[in-house]
Amino acid sequence: EPEVTQTPSHQVTQMGQEVILRCVPISNHLYFYWYRQILGQKVEFLVSFYNNEISEKSEIFDDQFSVERPDGSNFTLKIRSTKLEDSAMYFCASRGPTGDSYNEQFFGPGTRLTVL
Amino acid sequence: GENVEQHPSTLSVQEGDSAVIKCTYSDSASNYFPWYKQELGKRPQLIIDIRSNVGEKKDQRIAVTLNKTAKHFSLHITETQPEDSAVYFCAASKDTGRRALTFGSGTRLQVQP
Repeated sequence: EPEVTQTPSHQVTQMGQEVILRCVPISNHLYFYWYRQILGQKVEFLVSFYNNEISEKSEIFDDQFSVERPDGSNFTLKIRSTKLEDSAMYFCASRGPTGDSYNEQFFGPGTRLTVL
Repeated sequence: GENVEQHPSTLSVQEGDSAVIKCTYSDSASNYFPWYKQELGKRPQLIIDIRSNVGEKKDQRIAVTLNKTAKHFSLHITETQPEDSAVYFCAASKDTGRRALTFGSGTRLQVQP
């Protein structure tokens, strides 16, 4: 069964550094999402991406964040200048083609970001 | 925006008993309600979902009910097994899942053997 993959599994960085988190969505999916989960808390939406542009973003997704689909397979989240409070598990998710039968958002295994 | 409340935060049951987790949502435009199971250190995985044109859906030992008028939905697990132990998250979204998922705060279910 196809799965969403993410790299790296764990990223440690210094405050103020830039990080890029990478995701490979399921190949025929069209909708892509980033969520984050601070340890012990709920999963929070960051941004959704469709047709090569952002379709929705939360208040968490400020100017320090950006997303890109640089080629036909990768979907990246960049944090320009990391803060301590950016430490969290970041999940990528993807969703299938249009049509009512493709509702499910499939989650990747996550990247644990630790900002020191 | 949407707000999803989930109760209880922890639930401990004996193996074989039933477990019920409840969620309420605030946005009447939400029309898709998935439940995700997250084992320790792993990704959330969909276990069941329901759309707003349906009141109840069942899949073996798992069922979900939806009350659109009251804006609440519940997860029911019957004949619980130790492998059901995990954190369960409810969520809500619009446009049948195309839009962002708003998650509840999670319920840690512990099934005692």
